[in-house]
Amino acid sequence: EVQLVESGGGLVQPGRSMKLSCAASGFTFSDYYMAWVRQAPKKGLEWVASISYEGSSTYYGDSVKGRFTISRDNAKSTLYLQMNSLRSEDTATYYCARHPLLPTTDWYFDFWGPGTMVTVSS
Amino acid sequence: DVQMTQSPSYLAASPGESVSISCKASKSISTYLAWYQEKPGKANKLLIYSGSTLQSGTPSRFSGSGSGTDFTLTIRSLEPEDFTVYYCQHYNEYPPTFGGGTKLELK
Repeated sequence: EVQLVESGGGLVQPGRSMKLSCAASGFTFSDYYMAWVRQAPKKGLEWVASISYEGSSTYYGDSVKGRFTISRDNAKSTLYLQMNSLRSEDTATYYCARHPLLPTTDWYFDFWGPGTMVTVSS
Repeated sequence: DVQMTQSPSYLAASPGESVSISCKASKSISTYLAWYQEKPGKANKLLIYSGSTLQSGTPSRFSGSGSGTDFTLTIRSLEPEDFTVYYCQHYNEYPPTFGGGTKLELK
């Protein structure tokens, strides 16, 4: 059974950093592109970032480019999101999501985690 | 970026009825469209991709149609577990973007 479980969320002050993790199981992690998607309170879904199989290629939404870094450790089947210079508008539930196996150009998400809440506030 | 507009935002129906949810793209996205179901406390579930292809495990009462800019998610013979929130998402180009969501409520 495919499982994605996020962790690392919580309350953080504006301007500080936080690192999210997503533990994957039930599939060969290194075979899949992975992504982070977020949802601010009472708002819709927003794609944040994606990463290729080995991590050599990364892609970011404009709202987080230059502040967030997506990475992965295939040996640990874990996805990460390093978030720096956090702003109040980054307050959201952050979801780990899996891209479909093929084709790699199809950027929808076939499995999601339950999410971890990040609150940026002083 | 491609803007995705869902309508209606809220929809009330009764079990056994059929409903349709619209998703419009600000430019043509061919059939690069996915539909998701969101339930409180649970992981989002992919229902449909490529506009009309049911993801494994999606009940056959769900169907998707459309191409270009206009898409529809139809749910026939509503079951109690179908009353929740639905999102569309395009993936025709970078970046992928989502619709604002449609909440299906019990009448």
